[in-house]
Amino acid sequence: DIGMTQSPDSLAVSLGERATINCKSSQSVLYSSNNKNYLAWYQQKPGQPPKLLIYWASTRESGVPDRFSGSGSGTDFTLTISSLQAEDVAVYYCQQYYSTPPYTFGQGTKLEIK
Amino acid sequence: QVQLVQSGAEVKKPGASVNISCKASGYTFTNYYMHWVRQAPGQGLEWMGIINTSGGSTSYAQEFQGRVTMTRDTSTTTVYMDLSSLRSEDTAVYYCARELVGATTKGFDSWGQGTLVTVSS
Repeated sequence: DIGMTQSPDSLAVSLGERATINCKSSQSVLYSSNNKNYLAWYQQKPGQPPKLLIYWASTRESGVPDRFSGSGSGTDFTLTISSLQAEDVAVYYCQQYYSTPPYTFGQGTKLEIK
Repeated sequence: QVQLVQSGAEVKKPGASVNISCKASGYTFTNYYMHWVRQAPGQGLEWMGIINTSGGSTSYAQEFQGRVTMTRDTSTTTVYMDLSSLRSEDTAVYYCARELVGATTKGFDSWGQGTLVTVSS
């Protein structure tokens, strides 16, 4: 099974500042035949289901603001929020969907306003 | 628009079973797998299993083997998840989530609203 580890577990950032969340997989999630990383990022606000933000490590889902970006390849990935807004307070999860099953999630990173 | 609508909250006693439904609409049902993911209070996301909505084949996470059964009804575009021998640790919100079949999958792009299952004597 591929393990997913996020850092930090929690993060406090001032409004308008950059927030960065890291995710590391225990094995590569790069599919060589199409050169895509099978890594997704989700946002979960209290009382709501998770929402897909980023897939293939760096492709924004339709409707997701462009202040959200994903980067990385192989085993190391980053979610960046370029200018934090109040509505971005949430828990963020990475997930690999390369070597499945199981489809493994990171433990989550709680993002708050400083 | 795509919708995954789950059945309502349940309260069960230890040792009982629970069955949760997930009604899909707004897309071609059999073009997507359906997954079940649970979240215990204050905890992270835990993948439980997947059902191929076309052929009905399933795959379950090791920790749920023998206790979980996922089925689907293509005529009503509904997926079901049955969890048996419930214990207090199964108290959680259970979500269904769809995933496009094939290499162009982008993960779980639509989720149900969640079903709270409370296991208590």
